[in-house]
Amino acid sequence: SQQGEEDPQALSIQEGENATMNCSYKTSINNLQWYRQNSGRGLVHLILIRSNEREKHSGRLRVTLDTSKKSSSLLITASRAADTASYFCATAGGKLIFGQGTELSVKP
Amino acid sequence: DTAVSQTPKYLVTQMGNDKSIKCEQNLGHDTMYWYKQDSKKFLKIMFSYNNKELIINETVPNRFSPKSPDKAHLNLHINSLELGDSAVYFCASSEKGVNGDSPLHFGNGTRLTVT
Repeated sequence: SQQGEEDPQALSIQEGENATMNCSYKTSINNLQWYRQNSGRGLVHLILIRSNEREKHSGRLRVTLDTSKKSSSLLITASRAADTASYFCATAGGKLIFGQGTELSVKP
Repeated sequence: DTAVSQTPKYLVTQMGNDKSIKCEQNLGHDTMYWYKQDSKKFLKIMFSYNNKELIINETVPNRFSPKSPDKAHLNLHINSLELGDSAVYFCASSEKGVNGDSPLHFGNGTRLTVT
């Protein structure tokens, strides 16, 4: 069964704005990962946050994890047109299960 | 050099045919996977191998048969192709086992179209 569910399904913003994507899941996890997929390409790993961590940063990316609410968020600050892609969360609790993704469009 | 490479990139074939997709990784990873991504971008795991041993075999029709000749290669053979098999198939690898403890490295996918 599908584990992670992303919200919103689609997001359109202007360059320079921040983009926030959310992921909710149902069962306990060991870690949660975020991936990016550009059109016609494979998924690329962005960041992994473990269940005992609350926040993690990588460049313009900030990920939070709230295990009590079974949710995570991915924040991309100062977005660029090159950030246009689909973003997936994946939960690890025995095996890695992907959500259906958020399509982010950043307009120049 | 591409870390995870799969061939072909596009595959168009008719119903009933048999086809194979090849995957190779040069990362030295022990674990490899096949994922299927449907038209709504839902990504579902099909198989996972750890050091040539089948670890995960999800509810996949037995027309799909993975083969791992060595830990750097994981091929997918599909018999008697059906219209519903049309999708993008991704190969991936990870350093550690199938528990999701380490990130996955994906190939660029094979878009299979069955007519």
